[in-house]
Formats: sequence, structure tokens, C-alpha cells
Amino acid sequence: AQTVTQSQPEMSVQEAETVTLSCTYDTSESDYYLFWYKQPPSRQMILVIRQEAYKQQNATENRFSVNFQKAAKSFSLKISDSQLGDAAMYFCAYRRGGGSEKLVFGKGTKLTVNP
Amino acid sequence: DAGVIQSPRHEVTEMGQEVTLRCKPISGHNSLFWYRQTMMRGLELLIYFNNNVPIDDSGMPEDRFSAKMPNASFSTLKIQPSEPRDSAVYFCASSLGTSGNSYNEQFFGPGTRLTVL
Repeated sequence: AQTVTQSQPEMSVQEAETVTLSCTYDTSESDYYLFWYKQPPSRQMILVIRQEAYKQQNATENRFSVNFQKAAKSFSLKISDSQLGDAAMYFCAYRRGGGSEKLVFGKGTKLTVNP
Repeated sequence: DAGVIQSPRHEVTEMGQEVTLRCKPISGHNSLFWYRQTMMRGLELLIYFNNNVPIDDSGMPEDRFSAKMPNASFSTLKIQPSEPRDSAVYFCASSLGTSGNSYNEQFFGPGTRLTVL
């Protein structure tokens, strides 16, 4: 079974600085997708960024970017120019390719942004 | 667009009672998901439907849990009888489903916080 591990239960960053959240996963599949979701105190789950395993180029969405290392099965999230609104729980998730839509989530990292 | 709608937002019940959680997916979406979030186990998929048919229910904890999707615009998750360990936030999500190997984003509802006393 696929597993997703987030080794940092909590992280903090100063406003305007950069922070990197770690995620590793275990799979025997070659075709899959990886995601980062944000869950603010409102509880709403929001998709931040996604990466297709077959793409070598790292995904980027504005201030959010990933470092996808397929051989190492590592998928970290970098948040640049951190803002107070970035404070939230961040979840890494995996979905294998093909027809299944099942998402497997990590336990999450709580990010605090200090003014 | 109203997004995924869940009701109730909060539910407090006593052990042994039946609990029914409801979800209305985004119009036009073909897949619907039920997740449970707890501190101990994190966020885990309970069951998902595609075109109203259950596809993967391997995450349903036990026979006390059941889910139905009678039509494309409505789903329920029922717990009978409820137990204190069922206390959690239950999320419903929906997506456009799969087409070949393409990916379609899952949109989450606001969740239902269930407390079983």
C-alpha cells in the first residue's frame, strides 16, 4: 500500500521569508500524481499545487513551488515570501495513475507565520 | 457556483444513536468522496462513488458505517450505532471523475464535525 510521510509536525517562518515543507512517499507505481493541500483554521481543504510523476519539470504556482525528486520519492513544498494568510495545516497527498481517484494523505504539517 | 454542500456543519449525539451526514456535490461532477479526519489517523478516504456506483469502500471502518448515493446530486453517510471513537470531522468532496489517465481536482466541502458523547 502507498504511504505518505510528513516528518515535520510543525514549522514556523517569518513573514516575507521562505519555508520548505517536506514529504516523502512510498510506492511501486511509476505513474502517479502528488499534491499539496492547505487547510486553514476554517477547515476548508484547498488544493495548492500538483505534480504529475511523468513530468520532470517542477510545478510552480505563484509563490508556491515543489522540488520533486522521483528517485528519492521526495516531494517538498517551498513557500516564498510567506504571508500571514499562509498559516495553515499543509497536507501532502498521493494518487496513483490510471482510473483510481483515491487520495492518500500524510499526517500534515502545521505552519505558523510570524509577523 | 455553490461548491460542495454538507449538512449539518456540527452534530452532537449520544452513543448508540444513528447519525446521518449529507452531501450535495458540485453540479456536473461524476465522482463523490467521503473522508474522515482525526488527530490520530489524519485524513483518510472512507468510500468513493463514480456515477453513483461505489468504486472503493476499503476505507469504511466497519458495518456500522454505510454510504449511499441515490442520485447524482445527493449522498449520505450513516453511522448506526454511533460510538465515541467515531468523533471526527467528515468531509465530502467531488470531482469531474477520470477520463483516461487525466486528473480532475477534488473539491472539498466544509466538513461536518461529529461529536459522539
